[in-house]
Amino acid sequence: GDSVTQMEGPVTLSEEAFLTINCTYTATGYPSLFWYVQYPGEGLQLLLKATKADDKGSNKGFEATYRKETTSFHLEKGSVQVSDSAVYFCALRSPDNAGNMLTFGGGTRLMVKP
Amino acid sequence: NAGVMQNPRHLVRRRGQEARLRCSPMKGHSHVYWYRQLPEEGLKFMVYLQKENIIDESGMPKERFSAEFPKEGPSILRIQQVVRGDSAAYFCASSTSMSGGAGEQFFGPGTRLTVL
Repeated sequence: GDSVTQMEGPVTLSEEAFLTINCTYTATGYPSLFWYVQYPGEGLQLLLKATKADDKGSNKGFEATYRKETTSFHLEKGSVQVSDSAVYFCALRSPDNAGNMLTFGGGTRLMVKP
Repeated sequence: NAGVMQNPRHLVRRRGQEARLRCSPMKGHSHVYWYRQLPEEGLKFMVYLQKENIIDESGMPKERFSAEFPKEGPSILRIQQVVRGDSAAYFCASSTSMSGGAGEQFFGPGTRLTVL
């Protein structure tokens, strides 16, 4: 079955540091890939997505590239801010998935210190 | 355009009681998904519904849990005879369609269920 594996957190960085959160997946076919962000006490918000190999999703300074050869979708940001502190979830949706549901990784908590 | 709405935001129940969680999808969205997030874990799919139809309930526990999305009104996730292990955050998401690559799911703020 489909699965998503993320690096465990928490990840603690100083403001303006470079961020990488690793995400790898297992799926049949060509899934769509997503990063969601969850701020404390809130629901998930879509951060970025990519729907085919070599696509790069980007938003608010975050980027992730769909790498089919390594089945990865690592999240990066060049300079994090305190306001980026949140939990980040990598997810996929398989085209073979009749239910259209998302499969999530376990989440990575990011803490950015001033 | 209001987002996905869920209520209540917090729900406390004693063991054996019933919990009813409501979800109103975004305007124009006819697809609803329910996910459960256990403490310190990712979200796990429970059920996918369209108006008056359950499309996929493969993630729903076989007993005590049920879901509906009537022609009129919100989607309801119902948990009968709750147990402490049901304590979790329950998130609803909605989308316009299930077409490949599109049909982005928009999430509500969640209902945090605590079973005493």
